[in-house]
Amino acid sequence: GENVEQHPSTLSVQEGDSAVIKCTYSDSASNYFPWYKQELGKRPQLIIDIRSNVGEKKDQRIAVTLNKTAKHFSLHITETQPEDSAVYFCAANPTGGGNKLTFGTGTQLKVEL
Amino acid sequence: SAVISQKPSRDICQRGTSLTIQCQVDSQVTMMFWYRQQPGQSLTLIATANQGSEATYESGFVIDKFPISRPNLTFSTLTVSNMSPEDSSIYLCSVDGTGQETQYFGPGTRLLVL
Repeated sequence: GENVEQHPSTLSVQEGDSAVIKCTYSDSASNYFPWYKQELGKRPQLIIDIRSNVGEKKDQRIAVTLNKTAKHFSLHITETQPEDSAVYFCAANPTGGGNKLTFGTGTQLKVEL
Repeated sequence: SAVISQKPSRDICQRGTSLTIQCQVDSQVTMMFWYRQQPGQSLTLIATANQGSEATYESGFVIDKFPISRPNLTFSTLTVSNMSPEDSSIYLCSVDGTGQETQYFGPGTRLLVL
């Protein structure tokens, strides 16, 4: 089945700096890669997603890049703010999964003032 | 996106008992999923709730322990049976969005088993 690895597990940045979180996946047939943000005590919220027919997608300060050959995708947050502090999860859809998602292990992002 | 609610939001239960968690959506959805999130961990898929047929369980999860119902396109239940402290976790339902692969999560049910 699909295996999704995520790095780093924790990331601390200064406010205004950029943050990058990386994920690799094992199933070459996966074609959908969402990112979720989970604040403490809250539900995971979809923040951005990308499909395998594009290499990059941007939404204001957030961008996701996808390298299908290398089977990895990354989340980029620019001009980080304290409210970006949360746990971020990447995910991928396994082949024949019927829209299931396999999640990465999560990255705890802390934006320091 | 759909508005998703879960009941109860939290509960404290005694070992050996069972708890049924409800997931309600304000619009019809094709797919509903149930996840477990243990403290400080990622999300693990328990099963896909199929309308009109039995749920599809992931490896390591069985129907006797986690029976699921899906009576219509807006509602599902997950029962955690014969609970032990190891079942203490957050249980989340999710539903598919307009992009089909996209999933949106309910607020979760925080379960503590003593």
